[in-house]
Amino acid sequence: EVVLTQSPDFQSVTPKEKVTITCRASQSIGNSLHWYQQKPDESPKLLIKYASQSISGVPSRFSGSGSGTDFTLTINSLEAEDAAAYYCHQSNGSPWTFGQGTKVEIK
Amino acid sequence: QLQLQESGPRLVKPLETLSLTCTVSGGSISSGRYYWGWIRQPPGKGLEWIGVISYRGTTYYNPSLKSRVTISADSSKNQFSLKLSSVTAADTAVYYCARDVELWGQGTMVTVSP
Repeated sequence: EVVLTQSPDFQSVTPKEKVTITCRASQSIGNSLHWYQQKPDESPKLLIKYASQSISGVPSRFSGSGSGTDFTLTINSLEAEDAAAYYCHQSNGSPWTFGQGTKVEIK
Repeated sequence: QLQLQESGPRLVKPLETLSLTCTVSGGSISSGRYYWGWIRQPPGKGLEWIGVISYRGTTYYNPSLKSRVTISADSSKNQFSLKLSSVTAADTAVYYCARDVELWGQGTMVTVSP
């Protein structure tokens, strides 16, 4: 089973600041890594698929990079509405797995 | 536009079987090479992948749940389903259905309690 470890677990950030969340896989997963945003009482929303592919309707300040075992989600110029939990998710092979999540708070 | 909607009992007794259905609208579950799956999230916790059924009908399950889980599809009803047997309080969670990684339902809260 591929274990995904996100860092940090929590981040308190001021608006317009740049946010970087990392996701490390316990073994190589190619580019089969996806990022979600989840706000309270909402279902997760896909932000980035296959490490770096953008999703229609997602603001351009969200970007992803990486391959193999190390991946990064970057939020450029954080906005108040970006306060949420962020999860990475791998679909390289069964079982698919999720990272433990990173909570982003707005200062 | 494709939409997924979970349905089923909100309250299940311990040791009984949790049964949920995901109804797909705006498209057919038989078209395309998609994986149709289930994810859950206990209150205040992270996401846990339960399993998927592929476009070929092959199922893949989380090893930690494999002995209790069955995912099936009914193309005539454009639905797929989750059955989780011998539930305990630890199975209390919001259950989501999803198509591949991209499209999720809104989720349904299921509580296991006497």
